[in-house]
Amino acid sequence: DAGVIQSPRHEVTEMGQEVTLRCKPISGHNSLFWYRQTMMRGLELLIYFNNNVPIDDSGMPEDRFSAKMPNASFSTLKIQPSEPRDSAVYFCASGQGYNSPLHFGNGTRLTVT
Amino acid sequence: DAKTTQPNSMESNEEEPVHLPCNHSTISGTDYIHWYRQLPSQGPEYVIHGLTSNVNNRMASLAIAEDRKSSTLILHRATLRDAAVYYCILRREEYGNKLVFGAGTILRVKS
Repeated sequence: DAGVIQSPRHEVTEMGQEVTLRCKPISGHNSLFWYRQTMMRGLELLIYFNNNVPIDDSGMPEDRFSAKMPNASFSTLKIQPSEPRDSAVYFCASGQGYNSPLHFGNGTRLTVT
Repeated sequence: DAKTTQPNSMESNEEEPVHLPCNHSTISGTDYIHWYRQLPSQGPEYVIHGLTSNVNNRMASLAIAEDRKSSTLILHRATLRDAAVYYCILRREEYGNKLVFGAGTILRVKS
């Protein structure tokens, strides 16, 4: 199994631009999580899906952030417009059922200048 | 979310056992205790989890106090590759499938 695949690995963009981060979960997993990690705030849960349905998006910082999961094998996290304070490493993770271990991708390092 | 308390950092010698403590005095009966670790420049990695009984796997052991208000992650022989941030997390069914990370313990391993 290839594990959770995130793309791109690195993204550098200018303030005001739209950014789209992508995630392919492990096949057969029915839950998907998006996290953000910074030195100041640590690992923050942004949103998670069960069976492609958003369950809890209370961690999404602002309306500039949106996440979708159109099918079981793909999810996106979009930031529009991006700001320098959005600079962070964004992780995607997937799991199979309640209480099962989460498998994390290698993350996308986003830099907004 | 139920709270856990961990030391900010710990240090260990290579090839010695390491005991990483976690306090969770407000734990409820349905909370599972999960441990993850994050190696430098990588995503978090699942280590182990348990409910009431002690658990062992190829990576570590989890010792859970009888009153469940604390637990200890045991690495039987620390290696340099075990240097990481270790997170103790309570996962509750009524909160759905959420996994919320705290600050964790930075483990340094000396050769």
